[in-house]
Amino acid sequence: QAVLTQEPSLTVSPGGTVTLTCGSSAGAVTSGHYPYWIQQKPGQAPRTLIYDTNNKHSWTPARFSGSLLGGKFALTLSGAQPEDEAEYYCLLSYGGVRVFGGGTKVTVL
Amino acid sequence: EVQLLESGGTLAQPGGSLRLSCAASGFTLSVNGMSWVRQAPGKGLEWVSDSVIGGGGGTYYADSVKGRFIMSRDNSKNTVFLQMKSLRTEDTAVYYCTGHGGLSEWGPGTLVTVSS
Repeated sequence: QAVLTQEPSLTVSPGGTVTLTCGSSAGAVTSGHYPYWIQQKPGQAPRTLIYDTNNKHSWTPARFSGSLLGGKFALTLSGAQPEDEAEYYCLLSYGGVRVFGGGTKVTVL
Repeated sequence: EVQLLESGGTLAQPGGSLRLSCAASGFTLSVNGMSWVRQAPGKGLEWVSDSVIGGGGGTYYADSVKGRFIMSRDNSKNTVFLQMKSLRTEDTAVYYCTGHGGLSEWGPGTLVTVSS
């Protein structure tokens, strides 16, 4: 089973830009893994921000974008806001079996 | 309003069984893939099971629950279930159901505690 690796924590200044990455022990991440980015704030249920690599839901702020970068799956936050402080998880599919990354705690400071 | 609501979480004994339910409103479960995800206290998200609609369908499980958990649907009740048996202390977690297009919907979760 693939192991997904994310940065444990990242700090970004208000208005700044940060990129989170998700790498797989099974090789390059592709669109065929139907990649997701999921946000979770303390005490709340998760919420999906990005699906199928770069598709956004109606509630996903425009400052978030998903992409494939150097064999990894990436989430770029451009123009960080205080409300973006949260844990972010990537989720990939391997032939029906899904795997979450360990999560990245983003601090806006 | 589109929403999911889990129920059935409670305190269970190691080796025991439990059935979780996830009721959908505002959309039809029968034409949507659905998933169960869990989160142990203070830990990250862990995928548990998927019930797939497209591509021939099928149900998939994480290795940690394969052979012990069964995911099923009752389309007449617009509800999915997670039957859990041979429970272990490491199954203690908040269990979320999620689904609809692009995993757009998540329930609030239901807490399962496995302890003697």
